Amino acid sequence: KAGVTQTPRYLIKTRGQQVTLSCSPISGHRSVSWYQQTPGQGLQFLFEYFSETQRNKGNFPGRFSGRQFSNSRSEMNVSTLELGDSALYLCASSLESRVSGGYTFGSGTRLTVV
Amino acid sequence: GQSLEQPSEVTAVEGAIVQINCTYQTSGFYGLSWYQQHDGGAPTFLSYNALDGLEETGRFSSFLSRSDSYGYLLLQELQMKDSASYFCAVTYNQGGKLIFGQGTELSVKP
Repeated sequence: KAGVTQTPRYLIKTRGQQVTLSCSPISGHRSVSWYQQTPGQGLQFLFEYFSETQRNKGNFPGRFSGRQFSNSRSEMNVSTLELGDSALYLCASSLESRVSGGYTFGSGTRLTVV
Repeated sequence: GQSLEQPSEVTAVEGAIVQINCTYQTSGFYGLSWYQQHDGGAPTFLSYNALDGLEETGRFSSFLSRSDSYGYLLLQELQMKDSASYFCAVTYNQGGKLIFGQGTELSVKP
């Protein structure tokens, strides 16, 4: 069974640009969460979608947004990129939004803002 | 606020047992999870404690004590491939939200 697929794996963008990252969850998984990982801040929760609805949101500015499609695939968008947005962006999927901790993560998209 | 504290680094030798602690200052969570991450790759789920006590999964065991705001991951029969970062995380009842500790980098030496 295919795992969580994130595309692209690597991305280089210029300050002020916008970027869209994609996440395809495991088949049948309806919950998709997004995380930002940086050396300084660690793993931080961005938002979670369940059945196309945003269920929870972390403490990130409005430049960070996301959506989920009817097939559970999810995208996150970052507008007006800043140097500090350089990070590994990870998505995780699970069958339900309240699950016994067993989220499956993708390998992430490494975004570099120059 | 919500915070989880872990040691930043732990070193152990192959074949030994190591314990990685996680203390937290938060409440109202469903349970405590542990994840392993190799060199910035995909974090991999290891173990979950919803209730106080010990959960065992092969060479890995995890423990939770809500009254002490404390948990740990125990790795037995260490192997070189266990060198990785280990994160504790709490799952909240809002669903789909994990709050992670800063991670512990485990180095296994021969």
